[in-house]
Amino acid sequence: QAQLVQSGAEVKKPGSSVKVSCKSSGGTFSNYAINWVRQAPGQGLEWMGGIIPMFGTTNYAQKFQGRVTITADESTSTAYMELTSLRSEDTAVYYCARTGRQLVLVGYFDYWGQGTLVTVSS
Amino acid sequence: QSVLTQPPSVSGAPGQRVTISCTGSSSNIGAGYDVHWYQHLPGRVPKLLIYANIKRPSGVPDRFSGSRSGTSASLAITGLQAEDEADYYCQSSEVFGGGTKLTVL
Repeated sequence: QAQLVQSGAEVKKPGSSVKVSCKSSGGTFSNYAINWVRQAPGQGLEWMGGIIPMFGTTNYAQKFQGRVTITADESTSTAYMELTSLRSEDTAVYYCARTGRQLVLVGYFDYWGQGTLVTVSS
Repeated sequence: QSVLTQPPSVSGAPGQRVTISCTGSSSNIGAGYDVHWYQHLPGRVPKLLIYANIKRPSGVPDRFSGSRSGTSASLAITGLQAEDEADYYCQSSEVFGGGTKLTVL
């Protein structure tokens, strides 16, 4: 039974960056992709990008290209999502989610982190 | 605007059957990409409800079922219960639908 535990809430200034962590336990970290999905207030779910830790392969939504970087540390079974040049519209709950099929970057997400609220405000 | 279109809201009385549609295109559902469904209760983490169009993860009641045809997919919920009141999202490849709010009357 895999479990994903994310870092705590953040408050950031416009123009700054945020880095959210997602620590995996109870499963084989390297073989399963970790994706990042966000939900802005009153909005739906939005896929940002993902990584297959074993290969370091990443893919990002076009909307976030150039602003988001997803990395993974196999030694600590932790994935990270860094978003730069923050603006108020980036205020959202950010979730990490595991792809349910091994070595597939995007598929169904069977395990989710608890979510991290990132607030961007001056 | 999402490329997967869902109705903003549906409603039904306890015990009834409701369906939620998810309309895509020839570049996603129509291209053969699987459709997955999630239940998202307010303040909770999204929960996988249906994967690969029709499959239910362990623990999901058989009141929930999925189907896919052409460029569309549907989620059906039978024997509606109060605790089913939530937002429901379809997903195909990296794209999510806009979400449907289910109200149990």
